[in-house]
Amino acid sequence: QVQLVESGGGVVQPGRSLRLSCAASGFTFSNYAMHWVRQAPGKGLEWLAVISYDGSNKKYTDSVKGRFTLSRDNSKNTLYLQMNSLRAEDTAVYYCAKFRSSRYYYSDAFDIWGQGTMVTVSS
Amino acid sequence: DIQMTQSPSSLSASVGDRVTITCRASQDISNYLAWFQQKPGKAPKSLIYDASSLQSGVPSKFSGSGSGTDFTLTISSLQPEDFATYYCQHYHSYPFTFGPGTKVDVK
Repeated sequence: QVQLVESGGGVVQPGRSLRLSCAASGFTFSNYAMHWVRQAPGKGLEWLAVISYDGSNKKYTDSVKGRFTLSRDNSKNTLYLQMNSLRAEDTAVYYCAKFRSSRYYYSDAFDIWGQGTMVTVSS
Repeated sequence: DIQMTQSPSSLSASVGDRVTITCRASQDISNYLAWFQQKPGKAPKSLIYDASSLQSGVPSKFSGSGSGTDFTLTISSLQPEDFATYYCQHYHSYPFTFGPGTKVDVK
């Protein structure tokens, strides 16, 4: 079945880096744009970033621009989120999600979400 | 950026009730609107896309309507498994933004 599995979360000190992964299965990963969304403890959902199906286009929300970098390895069916200069306010559960439609980069809806991975930024 | 609001922020309802949640966008987003359900400690689940289309496998007790700036999610007959928090989200343009959520709990 279609599945996304995040990993790489943990406890990290402010200013340090962490790389999250999202492993995809059950669909042709290389055909779909992928997103990261996060949720701080007890808070709502925040869209972070998108990468196109081929990795050629990326967009980020302002709060992570310049600190977070999206990449993907279509040969490994894996999405990555490199998080640098981490701050306490980056503490959250991080989810990856896929678009419904193949080859879309704009104006499409999510259908499948991963289970999330927790990142805690604390000294 | 497009701002999303939801009302109410919470509501109490009984099994069998009809429940309606409202979502409003700060500008015209056509029908680029999705609804998600989230239970405590779980990932969000996609319910509706394009304002009124059901995601695969989602029961027909869920329905969505609206276009432009005003949207609604309706649960026709609330069941125990429907007590959760519901979020709307626009995907008209980047950055996508979510509403603050509506918590549906037991009366």
